[in-house]
Amino acid sequence: QQQVRQSSQSLTVWEGETAILNCSYENSAFDYFPWYQQFPGEGPALLIAIRSVSDKKEDGRFTIFFNKREKNLSLHIKDSQPGDSATYFCAASASSGSWQLIFGSGTQLTVMP
Amino acid sequence: EAGVTQSPRYAVLQEGQAVSFWCDPISGHDTLYWYQQPRDQGPQLLVYFRDEAVIDNSQLPSDRFSAVRPKGTNSTLKIQSAKQGDTATYLCASSRDRGHERLFFGHGTKLSVL
Repeated sequence: QQQVRQSSQSLTVWEGETAILNCSYENSAFDYFPWYQQFPGEGPALLIAIRSVSDKKEDGRFTIFFNKREKNLSLHIKDSQPGDSATYFCAASASSGSWQLIFGSGTQLTVMP
Repeated sequence: EAGVTQSPRYAVLQEGQAVSFWCDPISGHDTLYWYQQPRDQGPQLLVYFRDEAVIDNSQLPSDRFSAVRPKGTNSTLKIQSAKQGDTATYLCASSRDRGHERLFFGHGTKLSVL
């Protein structure tokens, strides 16, 4: 059972466009949602995160939109650059009960120059 | 600040062989995690420690996998008798916040079991 689902395995956009990466989850107890960015041969690195009490989190070109009722969220990358080409993982955890950070299967983003 | 250091970077084994992975977390980070990342999948937690204590090893295949962090600093993950299904990248991460809000990952050890 996939608790965190990323609908697109891959996404290609042109430089300057906005890339939109989607994620959904099943467990209503999840209340913290980080996005990690991973380049080939490296470990994931935290990009941006949101708590379930918010519906939007912005950090520079990166914005998370969160819909608690629909149990989904999206990462928007504005003015995409070739250097943004990487795999993006949506993840989720719950602050109550046994902790575990559950990762989705990732979306590989390619930004074409 | 030095990052999380892992070694080796690569390992190639025959089925049935043993292998150990070593991790040096960021100084001052009391929480250390081991994740398994199969090809084209997200990381999956195997075990995590707070200082030297195992907090959760429920996802660790206990018959063949073991992990220790004896002094609350470096850690070793060992696979006793590797299987082809163990082929994956093994990632170590550390965190200094008890809320697990930011994990710092190492480069990982890419394991191939033939």
